[in-house]
Amino acid sequence: AQSVTQLGSHVSVSEGALVLLRCNYSSSVPPYLFWYVQYPNQGLQLLLKYTSAATLVKGINGFEAEFKKSETSFHLTKPSAHMSDAAEYFCAAGDDKIIFGKGTRLHILP
Amino acid sequence: DSGVTQTPKHLITATGQRVTLRCSPRSGDLSVYWYQQSLDQGLQFLIQYYNGEERAKGNILERFSAQQFPDLHSELNLSSLELGDSALYFCASSPTGNYGYTFGSGTRLTVV
Repeated sequence: AQSVTQLGSHVSVSEGALVLLRCNYSSSVPPYLFWYVQYPNQGLQLLLKYTSAATLVKGINGFEAEFKKSETSFHLTKPSAHMSDAAEYFCAAGDDKIIFGKGTRLHILP
Repeated sequence: DSGVTQTPKHLITATGQRVTLRCSPRSGDLSVYWYQQSLDQGLQFLIQYYNGEERAKGNILERFSAQQFPDLHSELNLSSLELGDSALYFCASSPTGNYGYTFGSGTRLTVV
């Protein structure tokens, strides 16, 4: 069975600093992988998706993620954090049915 | 606006009652998914419909049921409500072939 693990339920970074949110998946076959963002009182918005075309995936708002099969990881990064990046981020995996991680709340410090 | 419409946005009801949550998928999307989001359980997949037929089931209680109608909108029925059913319920849709879901803004259910 597929599972998704996000390391750190809360991550704090200073404005302008590197954002790194960690995600590991468990699967015998690399599935489709996704990162979603949820702002307060809103639904989830797709940031980016990996569908085996390229291991480095660029998404919206300056985010990108790298698929590393040997590490079963799909970590999300952004070179320079903005205050507007404060939100909850979900890593997800699957094909027809998507399984979500428990989420990481990103705090941006001024 | 994501294109996925959920109504109502908020719902407050008493224990033991029954409610219906409605979802209209994005135009052209055939698949509808229902998720429950709570603080302790996170995002839990409930059920998926594809073009009117049930495709996959997740952690959906027997007190809950869903259907997808010919116009592709979907309804999630929750009955014999308990305090623990209080949560955000999200609907998502996708076209044929899964390349990521589009989520609605959710229905916040409060059972008192």
